[in-house]
Amino acid sequence: QVQLVESGGGLVKPGGSLRLSCAASGFTFSDYYMSWIRQAPGKGLEWLSYIGGSNAYTNYADSVKGRFTISRDNAKNSLSLQMNSLRAEDTAVYFCARTDYYYMDLWGKGTTVTVSS
Amino acid sequence: EIVMTQSPATLSVSPGERATLSCRASQSVSSNLAWYQQKPGQAPRLLIYGASTRATGIPDRFSGSGSGTEFTLTISSLQSEDFAVYSCQQYTNWPRTFGQGTKVEIK
Repeated sequence: QVQLVESGGGLVKPGGSLRLSCAASGFTFSDYYMSWIRQAPGKGLEWLSYIGGSNAYTNYADSVKGRFTISRDNAKNSLSLQMNSLRAEDTAVYFCARTDYYYMDLWGKGTTVTVSS
Repeated sequence: EIVMTQSPATLSVSPGERATLSCRASQSVSSNLAWYQQKPGQAPRLLIYGASTRATGIPDRFSGSGSGTEFTLTISSLQSEDFAVYSCQQYTNWPRTFGQGTKVEIK
């Protein structure tokens, strides 16, 4: 079954860290770019980060640059997002998405991150 | 950053009727535009890419049009499963940006 499943969300204090994971199945993971996107409560979707198939290329939104790091393990069909220095405005549902370089053609259901003291 | 603006914010439509959703870009994105459908608790789904090409498995009642800065998603005859939030996304420039979404609700 072709799917993406996110995990690792939770409640964290401001300034804290969290690592999100995304498990891919049903397709050749290494053939695809991957992205992280989030949606804050009541807001639209926000693209965060993107990684090429072989880890050679990454890109970040200004809102997370220097705080978040995207990575992948093609042997484990896994995508990660290391989030440091978390702020209240990082509270959102975080989605991973398979990316056909340009657009996201397969999404997970998301994992919720809440940043609060 | 390219700003994507969708209208209306909410669209009330009766089942079987036609729905027309708009998306405007702050600068030209050519045809580098995608549409997504999102239902509560579900994974977003790609509907349209290249402004007008339906993704695999998407029914032909969904159609996209436009280029440059003005785009339209049309649902020709709304089915019960089509009531959802629809978002557009440009992929001409980094960062990739989305519209704020249009909620299609039952009238």
